[in-house]
Amino acid sequence: AQRVTQPEKLLSVFKGAPVELKCNYSYSGSPELFWYVQYSRQRLQLLLRHISRESIKGFTADLNKGETSFHLKKPFAQEEDSAMYYCALRSSNTGKLIFGQGTTLQVKP
Amino acid sequence: NAGVTQTPKFRVLKTGQSMTLLCAQDMNHEYMYWYRQDPGMGLRLIHYSVGEGTTAKGEVPDGYNVSRLKKQNFLLGLESAAPSQTSVYFCASSYSRPGIFNYGYTFGSGTRLTVV
Repeated sequence: AQRVTQPEKLLSVFKGAPVELKCNYSYSGSPELFWYVQYSRQRLQLLLRHISRESIKGFTADLNKGETSFHLKKPFAQEEDSAMYYCALRSSNTGKLIFGQGTTLQVKP
Repeated sequence: NAGVTQTPKFRVLKTGQSMTLLCAQDMNHEYMYWYRQDPGMGLRLIHYSVGEGTTAKGEVPDGYNVSRLKKQNFLLGLESAAPSQTSVYFCASSYSRPGIFNYGYTFGSGTRLTVV
């Protein structure tokens, strides 16, 4: 079964602290993984994709096939990073995007 | 601006009323999707379409119908609204084939629906 799990509903850190938002997936095949961000009452925006191996707004994520994880990391959190973050997996067969439950990141001053 | 446009942005319905949510995209995307977003549940796929004239059920299709008569439009209908359908609805679109230069899904800004 295809599944994305984000174990933390809420992650609260202080400004300047490191951040790691966890994401684990279940997929038989080669997954395409994404992180999306949703700022307060706005549309979801693509943050990054594992294929492009990029760093956006200081965030990075590495696909670990052995641990079936795609954790999102940032070394120093900023207050403007406060948002809902969704990990998602795209099925190469159907194109459907399967989302995790989301993690709210709260960065305190 | 190019993108995905959803109408309306807000709506309050009484139980049993019907309504249609419209999603329009101008990026020539083949695939279109309707999701609902509920606290603690993430985004769940309601229906999707892989091309004009085709639709398919997603994870939570009951109580909804869809149509894709034109490539750029994807309509979500509620025939008889129920309080359990109170949610934020997001439409999204994408190319059919993921690739290095295509950036996943493009989402609309959402429709906040309350059924009383």
